[in-house]
Amino acid sequence: KNQVEQSPQSLIILEGKNCTLQCNYTVSPFSNLRWYKQDTGRGPVSLTIMTFSENTKSNGRYTATLDADTKQSSLHITASQLSDSASYICVVFGGGNYGQNFVFGPGTRLSVLP
Amino acid sequence: DGGITQSPKYLFRKEGQNVTLSCEQNLNHDAMYWYRQDPGQGLRLIYYSQIVNDFQKGDIAEGYSVSREKKESFPLTVTSAQKNPTAFYLCASMDSVVSYNEQFFGPGTRLTVL
Repeated sequence: KNQVEQSPQSLIILEGKNCTLQCNYTVSPFSNLRWYKQDTGRGPVSLTIMTFSENTKSNGRYTATLDADTKQSSLHITASQLSDSASYICVVFGGGNYGQNFVFGPGTRLSVLP
Repeated sequence: DGGITQSPKYLFRKEGQNVTLSCEQNLNHDAMYWYRQDPGQGLRLIYYSQIVNDFQKGDIAEGYSVSREKKESFPLTVTSAQKNPTAFYLCASMDSVVSYNEQFFGPGTRLTVL
């Protein structure tokens, strides 16, 4: 069964600290993996996308990694800010039919405290 | 100002009522989607449409209906047959021609059954 798991379920850190969120997937075939940020009560917004051949990609203070062999991805947030408080969702696209082949993880809820 | 909009932001339904959630996009995207988001779970696909006048059931279509009469609009009706409709509903659109298939999400509608 195609699944995406994320850990931890929730995380609390102090402003200015770094953190790493994890995503493990069993989706096959694999086309790409995307990280979204979702503020409370809002729709998700894309942060990064990783394809099979990419190991690392950065977007400002966000750095995503992908290990296609172990089917793991991580999202590292550097020098966290209060505005980073949100849910972070890992989504794997399995290719083919654009309708049904997006598999969403449950998200990690990050709280950044002053 | 391009984007995807949903209305209303909050919706309350009485038992036995049908309600319709609006989703409009001016991004000229062919594909549109409806997802349901429940706490601790990944987004689940209700319906999707890849072209006008065509739509397909997702994983949890029972108790829901959609129409796609215009490219810009993809309304979702939650019928009385949906036994547990209280959730956060997200609409998304995507340009299926562009590579890396990024879904753009609306701000969501929170539906509560009274």
